[in-house]
Amino acid sequence: DVVMTQSPDSLAVSLGERATINCKSSQSVLYSPNNENYLAWFQQKPGQPPKLLIYWASTRESGVPDRFSGGGSETDFTLTISSLQAEDVAVYYCQQYYSAPHTFGQGTKLEIK
Amino acid sequence: QVQLQQWGAGLLKPSETLSLTCAVYGGSFSGYYWTWIRQPPGKGLEWIGEINHSGITTYSKSLSSRVSISADTSKNQFSLKLTSVTAADTAVYYCASGPDRAKTGYWGQGTLVTVSS
Repeated sequence: DVVMTQSPDSLAVSLGERATINCKSSQSVLYSPNNENYLAWFQQKPGQPPKLLIYWASTRESGVPDRFSGGGSETDFTLTISSLQAEDVAVYYCQQYYSAPHTFGQGTKLEIK
Repeated sequence: QVQLQQWGAGLLKPSETLSLTCAVYGGSFSGYYWTWIRQPPGKGLEWIGEINHSGITTYSKSLSSRVSISADTSKNQFSLKLTSVTAADTAVYYCASGPDRAKTGYWGQGTLVTVSS
């Protein structure tokens, strides 16, 4: 199985400041024939199902604010929130869909400082 | 706008079979991937398995001996069965879907399944 490791486990950032979450996969999730990284990011708020934010490592899902951006390739990825808003408090997960099982990272809890 | 609504028994005894169903409203059932994911209380997400538009299933290796995912295209529904449950299977179970594996953008509301004697 591909192991996804996120860092940090928790993060406190001031409103309006940048938040960066890292995700590392135990093997490359870059599919060479189409040059796509099979990596998604989800946001989960308490009592709610996860919400898709980013897929193909850097493509923002429709309706997701442009302060959310994804980057990275092969084994190292980042989710960046450029200017933290109060509604961004949540747990964030990365997921690889390169090979089954489509494993998730352990989650990063984002709070307001 | 695709919406998923799921249901099933919320309290099971050890060794019983977990059975959940997810109905799809407002969109085409064909051409999509249909997935089950679970989340133990206070913990992270675990991918259980999927069924695709061709009826091909893929399961987590750790659960493959006990899990079955099926689809009823005539009813726009897909289902999860997990046999011989134990307390370790206590979790919120989510159905989810998308037009391909990259875009799991539609989620059910989640069902808490508790396994207790």
